Amino acid sequence: EVQLVESGGGVVRPGGSLRLSCAASGFTFADNGMSWVRQTPGKGLEWVSGINWNGGSTGYADSVKGRFTISRDSAKNSLYLQMNSLRVEDTALYHCARGDYYMDVWGKGTTVTVSS
Amino acid sequence: EIVMTQSPATLSVSPGERATLSCRASQSVSRDLAWYQQKPGQAPRLLIYGASTRATGIPARFSGSGSETEFTLTISSLQSEDFAVYYCQQYNNWPLFTFGPGTKVDIK
Repeated sequence: EVQLVESGGGVVRPGGSLRLSCAASGFTFADNGMSWVRQTPGKGLEWVSGINWNGGSTGYADSVKGRFTISRDSAKNSLYLQMNSLRVEDTALYHCARGDYYMDVWGKGTTVTVSS
Repeated sequence: EIVMTQSPATLSVSPGERATLSCRASQSVSRDLAWYQQKPGQAPRLLIYGASTRATGIPARFSGSGSETEFTLTISSLQSEDFAVYYCQQYNNWPLFTFGPGTKVDIK
């Protein structure tokens, strides 16, 4: 079964850091680009970051550029999102998804809450 | 940034009826447009990519059309499992991909 499972969410104060992880299974992770997409009740879906199949190309939404870093470890079938200088507006459910353009497999997400 | 708009915000449809959802881009995205379905408590599910190509396992009652700035998702005969929120997404402008605000399809 093709599956993506996110972890690493939690509650953090503004200015803090978190590292999200996404464990992939059921497909050849090394052959696929990957993305992080976040979702909030107020703003809907927001594409956050993407990485191509070999990690040679990465992209970020303007809202997170310079603060978030996407990476991957194909030996561990894992995707990561290092989030620094977190802001209240980063509060969301963060989904890992297969695909660096359109996303054909999604994880259920991990919740990040930034609050003082 | 390319702004995506969707209409209507809510569409009330009876089972068996046809539903037509619209998505508009603020500038041309060619055919780099995807549609997703999301049910409460679930992750989004890819329905359509390339404006009109159905994703694996998606029933034929779902069809997509359009190009440039105007796109349509049609559900030919609504089934009970189709009541959900539908989002469009443009992926023409790497890395500034954007989603529309969604159309909720509910039971009339």
